[in-house]
Amino acid sequence: SAVISQKPSRDICQRGTSLTIQCQVDSQVTMMFWYRQQPGQSLTLIATANQGSEATYESGFVIDKFPISRPNLTFSTLTVSNMSPEDSSIYLCSANRGNYGYTFGSGTRLTVV
Amino acid sequence: GDSVTQMEGPVTLSEEAFLTINCTYTATGYPSLFWYVQYPGEGLQLLLKATKADDKGSNKGFEATYRKETTSFHLEKGSVQVSDSAVYFCALIPVTGGGNKLTFGTGTQLKVEL
Repeated sequence: SAVISQKPSRDICQRGTSLTIQCQVDSQVTMMFWYRQQPGQSLTLIATANQGSEATYESGFVIDKFPISRPNLTFSTLTVSNMSPEDSSIYLCSANRGNYGYTFGSGTRLTVV
Repeated sequence: GDSVTQMEGPVTLSEEAFLTINCTYTATGYPSLFWYVQYPGEGLQLLLKATKADDKGSNKGFEATYRKETTSFHLEKGSVQVSDSAVYFCALIPVTGGGNKLTFGTGTQLKVEL
C-alpha cells in the first residue's frame, strides 16, 4: 500500500519557537494536505499544498503562522511558527494516492510548553 | 456546506458484540464516503469506502452501505475484538467543487473489553 513518512513523530517545544514537520510520499502526487487534530477532536484542514504554487489556506489559518513548502511532487513541509501552548496538537499530512485513496502520515504530536 | 454527523462516543462493548456506529451526511449530489480508523498514537488509516449509492464497502470484517435515501453510511461489524479499540471517523468528498477535500465527522471512540 501507499506510504507517507512523516517526521518528527513528536516534539516538545518552547513557546515562541518554530517547528518544521516533513512529509515524504513514496510516489508523485498532485495535492498534499495538512490537518490539525486538537486533543479529543476531529481533523481540521489547515491548507492544501500543490507543487509549483502557493498553498491554499482554510479559514482561520494564515501563511505567516503555518508556512508550507512543496518543492516537488513527493515532499512537503509545514512550519508551525511562533508557537504558543494553544498550538499543541497532532499535525497530519495527507495525499491523494489515486486507487489507494487519501493516505495519511502517522502524525506529529506537538506539545508547546 | 457539506457536513458529516457521527454518533457521540465513547462506545463501550464486550468482545464479540455487534457494533454499529451511525454516520449521516449532508452534501449535494453523490459524494464519496469513507470510514477511517485511528489506533492509539497513530495516524489515520482508510478502513473502507463507497463511491456511489447502494455500494457496500468492506474490510477486516467491517461493512458500511451507502444509503442515498437516508443519507447514511453506518459502520457495522458482527463481532468486535479488543484490537478494534480505536477512534473511527466518517468522512466525505463532494462530487463537485470542494477541491477534493475530505470533510470529517467528529470521530467515535470505540472501546472493546474482554
